[in-house]
Amino acid sequence: DAGVIQSPRHEVTEMGQEVTLRCKPISGHDYLFWYRQTMMRGLELLIYFNNNVPIDDSGMPEDRFSAKMPNASFSTLKIQPSEPRDSAVYFCASRRTSGVYNEQFFGPGTRLTVL
Amino acid sequence: QKEVEQDPGPLSVPEGAIVSLNCTYSNSAFQYFMWYRQYSRKGPELLMYTYSSGNKEDGRFTAQVDKSSKYISLFIRDSQPSDSATYLCAMSASTGYALNFGKGTSLLVTP
Repeated sequence: DAGVIQSPRHEVTEMGQEVTLRCKPISGHDYLFWYRQTMMRGLELLIYFNNNVPIDDSGMPEDRFSAKMPNASFSTLKIQPSEPRDSAVYFCASRRTSGVYNEQFFGPGTRLTVL
Repeated sequence: QKEVEQDPGPLSVPEGAIVSLNCTYSNSAFQYFMWYRQYSRKGPELLMYTYSSGNKEDGRFTAQVDKSSKYISLFIRDSQPSDSATYLCAMSASTGYALNFGKGTSLLVTP
């Protein structure tokens, strides 16, 4: 299995620009999570989906952030307009309901820099 | 106050040392406890998993959960330079819930 795939791996943009991060979960996984990681705040859950339906978006910092999951194999996280304080590493993770473990499989992350 | 607290370190030890990493939590409903390891510029990977209280051993790694004290630990015996990474604790009340992560402890094992 290819694992969780994220693109782009690095993104540098200017303040005010729209940023779109992409994620392909592991086939057969029915949960998808978006996280943001910074030195100051650690790993923060932004939003998660179950069977393509958003379950909890209470971690989304503000209306500039939006996430979609149009099908089981694709999700996007959009920031519009972007600000310097959005600079962070954004991780996508997926897991499946069946089985005992609550293990989430993480992608390699997208390192976002907003100038 | 976050539900899960973890000392960020950094922690530096010589090769062969025993390492102890810890987390405290406030939510008594947590039953599933995990340790993730994250190498530099990589995503976290599951290292150890424990349900409820008790110990679990896997090679050089031992995970302990003390629910009465709301305290979990990860011990690494005979630490190796390849163990240098950030270790994140994570926990949840149910398999259907999202994980609550600690901030992570940065560990450096020097040869």
